Amino acid sequence: SAVISQKPSRDICQRGTSLTIQCQVDSQVTMMFWYRQQPGQSLTLIATANQGSEATYESGFVIDKFPISRPNLTFSTLTVSNMSPEDSSIYLCSVRGQTQGNEKLFFGSGTQLSVL
Amino acid sequence: QKEVEQDPGPLSVPEGAIVSLNCTYSNSAFQYFMWYRQYSRKGPELLMYTYSSGNKEDGRFTAQVDKSSKYISLFIRDSQPSDSATYLCAMSEGGGYQKVTFGTGTKLQVIP
Repeated sequence: SAVISQKPSRDICQRGTSLTIQCQVDSQVTMMFWYRQQPGQSLTLIATANQGSEATYESGFVIDKFPISRPNLTFSTLTVSNMSPEDSSIYLCSVRGQTQGNEKLFFGSGTQLSVL
Repeated sequence: QKEVEQDPGPLSVPEGAIVSLNCTYSNSAFQYFMWYRQYSRKGPELLMYTYSSGNKEDGRFTAQVDKSSKYISLFIRDSQPSDSATYLCAMSEGGGYQKVTFGTGTKLQVIP
């Protein structure tokens, strides 16, 4: 299993500002994943962060809006840029790890973002 | 139509009841099926993991997959107030780094 620390746990931000969310894992991992969880919506993958290369974004998400850094194998950041109320959501960091011989997704506690 | 459909609830049951949570899906290529439990202000945690069709039991929890009907279920026996959480079904076409598709989650409340 993997232990993931994510911060901040919650924040209230003004429209037009940016927020950077940090994710720290207790072991080295090749890929880290960033998800968004909006009220009443399913967990949606924003991007996959690879160490040493550009992040891979899913359809509907762009680097200018959600820039990602991955400086080493245990750490990543997601920035939500030029925020609007529609960005209010829970943002979750995730990694794959082994449990009982199978590979699974492990999640951080999430960042609850409210944009006014 | 969403790839994965899940009733959002909320579902309220008395302590000790048997709970049935369900998801339907449209992608016949899904082979790996998971259930995650998410407490308030926490990230999802893996509860059950099954491959292909059949049942899998772990303590009070039983996961059931019916690929012919594209229907999966999670049963909770002798439900406890500590089971109160949101339950997310998830599935993927392959293991490893294959993309995982989640349901919207069902909020469960077990009343003492």
